[in-house]
Amino acid sequence: DVKVTQSSRYLVKRTGEKVFLECVQDMDHENMFWYRQDPGLGLRLIYFSYDVKMKEKGDIPEGYSVSREKKERFSLILESASTNQTSMYLCASSFVPNPTSRVGGVSSYEQYFGPGTRLTVT
Amino acid sequence: QKEVEQDPGPLSVPEGAIVSLNCTYSNSAFQYFMWYRQYSRKGPELLMYTYSSGNKEDGRFTAQVDKSSKYISLFIRDSQPSDSATYLCAMSDFGNEKLTFGTGTRLTIIP
Repeated sequence: DVKVTQSSRYLVKRTGEKVFLECVQDMDHENMFWYRQDPGLGLRLIYFSYDVKMKEKGDIPEGYSVSREKKERFSLILESASTNQTSMYLCASSFVPNPTSRVGGVSSYEQYFGPGTRLTVT
Repeated sequence: QKEVEQDPGPLSVPEGAIVSLNCTYSNSAFQYFMWYRQYSRKGPELLMYTYSSGNKEDGRFTAQVDKSSKYISLFIRDSQPSDSATYLCAMSDFGNEKLTFGTGTRLTIIP
């Protein structure tokens, strides 16, 4: 079974603090993602990494940065936490399968999620 | 208009009923369709995955994709209280590692 773990389930930080959220996956997945989930807005992609040291901005990257020094670990950094960053943060990973291993000879990208970190910024 | 639309609910049905959850989408390039289940205070878990059009059945769950109408459905038969969760649809097109999610439908099964 794929396992994606996140460093904290609940976190309370003060405005202006630097916050690190850690995510580790144990299935040698190439892709890793950080999302935030808010009521009525669903899952919004913050950043995506497709390889070590490679990253791509998602839909809402402002106020966040990421680091991927090892394949299994993807960190989300809030440089200066603000109250509007209070949210549930979800990490996910996915692999890029052999193109011939899926129906129709094409690949697919199911994502596997961690349990989430509920961050409150006061 | 959002790329994927999903009725947020909440939806409450009695135990044993058939549940129908739906999403519509606008991007005709989408080929991979997924349903995730998310229990309260947990991360989403993959429930069903379908490629292109057609039906897929897994126990009490059936996923349907109608690409001509840009409409996908998840049916739950003989619903149980343990099915109470938020259900999110997700989809992607070929070569795109990123998924586009619906906002989720909150479902409660009443014993």
